[in-house]
Amino acid sequence: EAGVTQFPSHSVIEKGQTVTLRCDPISGHDNLYWYRRVMGKEIKFLLHFVKESKQDESGMPNNRFLAERTGGTYSTLKVQPAELEDSGVYFCASSLGTGLETQYFGPGTRLLVL
Amino acid sequence: KNEVEQSPQNLTAQEGEFITINCSYSVGISALHWLQQHPGGGIVSLFMLSSGKKKHGRLIATINIQEKHSSLHITASHPRDSAVYICAVRSGSNYQLIWGAGTKLIIKP
Repeated sequence: EAGVTQFPSHSVIEKGQTVTLRCDPISGHDNLYWYRRVMGKEIKFLLHFVKESKQDESGMPNNRFLAERTGGTYSTLKVQPAELEDSGVYFCASSLGTGLETQYFGPGTRLLVL
Repeated sequence: KNEVEQSPQNLTAQEGEFITINCSYSVGISALHWLQQHPGGGIVSLFMLSSGKKKHGRLIATINIQEKHSSLHITASHPRDSAVYICAVRSGSNYQLIWGAGTKLIIKP
């Protein structure tokens, strides 16, 4: 069974440009989470989807970030326009359903904004 | 002060040593995760605990809910165990994880 995949693995863009990150969860996992680690800080929660609905987006830093999960399968996270402080590693995770089940993590996308 | 604190931040040990990494948290939790991140790699979930103790191979994780403390132990450590070990907690019914800063472990041959 394929794990959580993320694309691209690395992205280098200039300040002001737009970047779209993609996450493909494990097939059948209704729950999808986005996290990020910015330089020198702890990993922070961004948001949580249940199927196509945003269950919790309290961690989204500002309105330059837009996450979607149309159809309840893969998710995209768009940063527009990107700022220097957006540089970091963006992780996606998925889990099967409600309850105390494990979240399975993708390899992350390393974003560098110059 | 972060709600999840790990110690030590960095740990270097010789192959074969018994390793302990600690995690303390200040919020009520419904679950605690121990995760591993290899250099340049993604994150792998090692354990999810809500009480007691779990063992997988040479890894043992314990949690004391009353003391709000968890430990990750590695027996007979090996250089391939070198990684960053991260503690993260799920608070109440909220699904988001609150993360510790991680412990960077280096095992020398």
